[in-house]
Amino acid sequence: TQLLEQSPQFLSIQEGENLTVYCNSSSVFSSLQWYRQEPGEGPVLLVTVVTGGEVKKLKRLTFQFGDARKDSSLHITAAQPGDTGLYLCGGTSYGKLTFGQGTILTVHP
Amino acid sequence: NAGVTQTPKFQVLKTGQSMTLQCAQDMNHNSMYWYRQDPGMGLRLIYYSASEGTTDKGEVPNGYNVSRLNKREFSLRLESAAPSQTSVYFCASSEVQSPTEAFFGQGTRLTVV
Repeated sequence: TQLLEQSPQFLSIQEGENLTVYCNSSSVFSSLQWYRQEPGEGPVLLVTVVTGGEVKKLKRLTFQFGDARKDSSLHITAAQPGDTGLYLCGGTSYGKLTFGQGTILTVHP
Repeated sequence: NAGVTQTPKFQVLKTGQSMTLQCAQDMNHNSMYWYRQDPGMGLRLIYYSASEGTTDKGEVPNGYNVSRLNKREFSLRLESAAPSQTSVYFCASSEVQSPTEAFFGQGTRLTVV
């Protein structure tokens, strides 16, 4: 059983659509992070959220940390084929960095 | 900077064979991690080390052992490989203090036949 539950597991959309990926837990985390992974590579950090209620924007990506620091969401506006990849949320608790199952996003031209 | 370096990149083992996956980081990080990645399972933590000389179990430690040789190096050993250990293995490092950005190696694709 993983501490972090991500949904949906798979997302297949057309270019230009918006989407949201969710990361939920019953545990409180000191910080939550979102990573993106390309095939054959290790994950690369997109953003870290630390404060409850925090919202961070990275171009067309918007990240939000829940008020209770147990959940987070990633929203992509006007998705592009270059956004295709595996998106992972990770949380640090008691020195351990654990991850959700990941969301495989495919954006079709 | 090399960041996190894992070796080997690919390995095929027969059931029952042993092997050690090597990981080294040059960022002076205190924490190091070993994960396995299977389809639909994200990254599952096998073992981690918060500092030199300490190691702790993660979510899926059975069948594995680790050694934090020094601050730079953290190895993962499979004593008697099983087909269920076929996976992609990632090593990562980070600072202890939160927020902790983890830096990953390129992975080792292991097949046990």
